[in-house]
Amino acid sequence: DAKTTQPTSMDCAEGRAANLPCNHSTISGNEYVYWYRQIHSQGPQYIIHGLKNNETNEMASLIITEDRKSSTLILPHATLRDTAVYYCIVRVGGGTTGANSKLTFGKGITLSVRP
Amino acid sequence: GAVVSQHPSRVICKSGTSVKIECRSLDFQATTMFWYRQFPKQSLMLMATSNEGSKATYEQGVEKDKFLINHASLTLSTLTVTSAHPEDSSFYICSAERGVQETQYFGPGTRLLVL
Repeated sequence: DAKTTQPTSMDCAEGRAANLPCNHSTISGNEYVYWYRQIHSQGPQYIIHGLKNNETNEMASLIITEDRKSSTLILPHATLRDTAVYYCIVRVGGGTTGANSKLTFGKGITLSVRP
Repeated sequence: GAVVSQHPSRVICKSGTSVKIECRSLDFQATTMFWYRQFPKQSLMLMATSNEGSKATYEQGVEKDKFLINHASLTLSTLTVTSAHPEDSSFYICSAERGVQETQYFGPGTRLLVL
């Protein structure tokens, strides 16, 4: 699976949008971009994923560049409860023959939301 | 939907004893379940992948005789840490996916402390 790079940390003010960047310059055509977050001492929580189109759900929006080499997770109105480590992971999907389902976690980006 | 539970949430045991951790997908059938381990201030590391009714596939460096995995049904996988030692103390997390290469959903984790 392609590797991702994320900044180590960032912070934002409560109520403002949090934009979390991720680089995945070696992503392959059949690899999806997944975002998970882990709040302290809990299991990771699925946020969103996409292949090439931008995606939005009740938690966040995912913006993927046209060349797919980077993406941004947007939390539109950050709250204190959004403070967590956010992981950007690329992984094959869609029933790709012969590929495995592994998720490889990097160090992620620590988002701190301040009051 | 897509809820995964783990039991127990935390366990303390004596060195040399065995501990069993259960992972259940509550509202879906999981073709594949995964077991991860996370040490303090580190990221999640995949230990093994298990498919219902077949032997688990272990990652390099993970002792299959020490970490026994049973995936007896489409909603239950168990991890048994045999002859536990203090260095096995860690946060153990499972995940499950509905279909091959579909989204993985994580359990809340089990904190193991071996004295």
